[in-house]
Amino acid sequence: DTEVTQTPKHLVMGMTNKKSLKCEQHMGHRAMYWYKQKAKKPPELMFVYSYEKLSINESVPSRFSPECPNSSLLNLHLHALQPEDSALYLCASSQDMLAGGAAFGREQFFGPGTRLTVL
Amino acid sequence: TQLLEQSPQFLSIQEGENLTVYCNSSSVFSSLQWYRQEPGEGPVLLVTVVTGGEVKKLKRLTFQFGDARKDSSLHITAAQPGDTGLYLCAGARNTGFQKLVFGTGTRLLVSP
Repeated sequence: DTEVTQTPKHLVMGMTNKKSLKCEQHMGHRAMYWYKQKAKKPPELMFVYSYEKLSINESVPSRFSPECPNSSLLNLHLHALQPEDSALYLCASSQDMLAGGAAFGREQFFGPGTRLTVL
Repeated sequence: TQLLEQSPQFLSIQEGENLTVYCNSSSVFSSLQWYRQEPGEGPVLLVTVVTGGEVKKLKRLTFQFGDARKDSSLHITAAQPGDTGLYLCAGARNTGFQKLVFGTGTRLLVSP
């Protein structure tokens, strides 16, 4: 299985709603990532989990709350979002960063994304 | 700031034409990846280059990593409408290795 899956595909929410995005991979990868991508722009890194621990938070507002319940799952909890948070949210995973063959360990495999619209 | 500049930003060509996309930086990268992304979908990894001067071929796509590992190019021969998409290069550094530095992107449109 070489896929990263994300649910839902599309999400529309109001500014007072609480919702969650889910990501799953079964490639045995130990690093997982959340990115935000605006139209016609490259992905922007939000969070990195390594061995189920948060290792990077790119100064993301607290209305975004990541969670890594186990090595295969990654969630992004959303609360009190703003319309400008509307974007494509991408999950990615990569191999064990600490193993040998580090160059290929950094290859990131992306899910199909969740298109989020905040009204 | 570690920037990867891609050129051109946008390219519109006819089916059968050849094209080259460039990815340039003043920084050295330990490896560099190329992705293609279609609208509303996630980026799909095409190739990873690791060694300076390395050339990799994937059917009609040829990828090259610069000798100094600061730049890369993607050449497409006889482009097809299915090649349409956003092409992204992304570099990995030896430090801060969990972060990929993404290029600015090249949007390719191949018309029949």
